[in-house]
Amino acid sequence: GAVVSQHPSRVICKSGTSVKIECRSLDFQATTMFWYRQFPKQSLMLMATSNEGSKATYEQGVEKDKFLINHASLTLSTLTVTSAHPEDSSFYICSARTGVNYGYTFGSGTRLTVV
Amino acid sequence: DQQVKQNSPSLSVQEGRISILNCDYTNSMFDYFLWYKKYPAEGPTFLISISSIKDKNEDGRFTVFLNKSAKHLSLHIVPSQPGDSAVYFCAASEIVGSNYKLTFGKGTLLTVNP
Repeated sequence: GAVVSQHPSRVICKSGTSVKIECRSLDFQATTMFWYRQFPKQSLMLMATSNEGSKATYEQGVEKDKFLINHASLTLSTLTVTSAHPEDSSFYICSARTGVNYGYTFGSGTRLTVV
Repeated sequence: DQQVKQNSPSLSVQEGRISILNCDYTNSMFDYFLWYKKYPAEGPTFLISISSIKDKNEDGRFTVFLNKSAKHLSLHIVPSQPGDSAVYFCAASEIVGSNYKLTFGKGTLLTVNP
């Protein structure tokens, strides 16, 4: 089946630094990848939609200069949290449509803690 | 404005019984509905889906029912097993511009007791 590999699974960084999260589609080409954020006991909130070779589309309220998304190839999308602050601490998850039964395959998520 | 609502944050059932997880939505543009299972610190795993033109879809122990007029769907798990214990998310899909967009509910924590 379709697999999306997400790294790192956990990262702790100092306030003010930047963190890059990678998502790779392992056995299929992902023209579009989605980035979500989940706070404790909350739903997954879509942050942005990235299309290969073009600029990402950000949801309302998401700062595009803070959350940089790059989708340079059909198998790799990255999310960079720039100048991270403690309030950016969250669980970040990527996903890609596999086109089967409207299936979306999710990465395993990244737990970001900013100290 | 929450377009997909799961009003029960938790549900506890006995092993072998039926688990019924409910979901309501407000956006009539949703054309596909999906259920995901999620363990802590992991990404969601796809369970079952249903098109808006159908009212039932069954896959093994999992059945999803859609009542479009009531904007309500439910996931039935029969028989429930302890391994089913997880958070279940209801999600709805719509096309926004040229992209598909998934909107999630807040999830329901299902606990199946042996």
